[in-house]
Amino acid sequence: KQEVTQIPAALSVPEGENLVLNCSFTDSAIYNLQWFRQDPGKGLTSLLLIQSSQREQTSGRLNASLDKSSGRSTLYIAASQPGDSATYLCAVRTFYNNDMRFGAGTRLTVKP
Amino acid sequence: DTGVSQNPRHKITKRGQNVTFRCDPISEHNRLYWYRQTLGQGPEFLTYFQNEAQLEKSRLLSDRFSAERPKGSFSTLEIQRTEQGDSAMYLCASSLKQSRTGGTGRFTDTQYFGPGTRLTVL
Repeated sequence: KQEVTQIPAALSVPEGENLVLNCSFTDSAIYNLQWFRQDPGKGLTSLLLIQSSQREQTSGRLNASLDKSSGRSTLYIAASQPGDSATYLCAVRTFYNNDMRFGAGTRLTVKP
Repeated sequence: DTGVSQNPRHKITKRGQNVTFRCDPISEHNRLYWYRQTLGQGPEFLTYFQNEAQLEKSRLLSDRFSAERPKGSFSTLEIQRTEQGDSAMYLCASSLKQSRTGGTGRFTDTQYFGPGTRLTVL
């Protein structure tokens, strides 16, 4: 069974700092990995999707990497802003399931 | 069509009552998913449709839960005889299963989520 873990559970940084969020998964037979953002009481917004054949994806100040062999992904956020404050979730889809397995998320607070 | 919509956004009910939620996916999407999310946790998969066919159900989906997607468009999730443990955010997502992207021969299948329905069972 695929288990997804996110560390840390919460992170607080000053505005302007670069930061890295971590996601690890137990089964390397993944189809893709997706990073989401969730604001309090809201649904999920897709940030980046990495296919199993890819090593990284970039969108603006966000960069996500994938290392299947070690079962890890990182989400790098450059020059953080207060508007980046949210919970960040990673989700993994394996080849033998159509659903996504989510981590519990990292709650990020960027202080002005 | 700007995204996935869900109704109602909030539902408060008494234990033992039945509730029904609706999800309208992005119009051209052929896949639809239901997830449940409790406080402080990531979403957990409940069930999945491809067009009108329900192809997978999680063991979390007890006999009190039923989902339909009658014409391959919108979907409903019904919970019968609600229990306090059913209190959660119910999220719907849709995706388009494509045969190719960028010449790689890979499926994209990015899931787009709705705003969710927050259920409170008293």
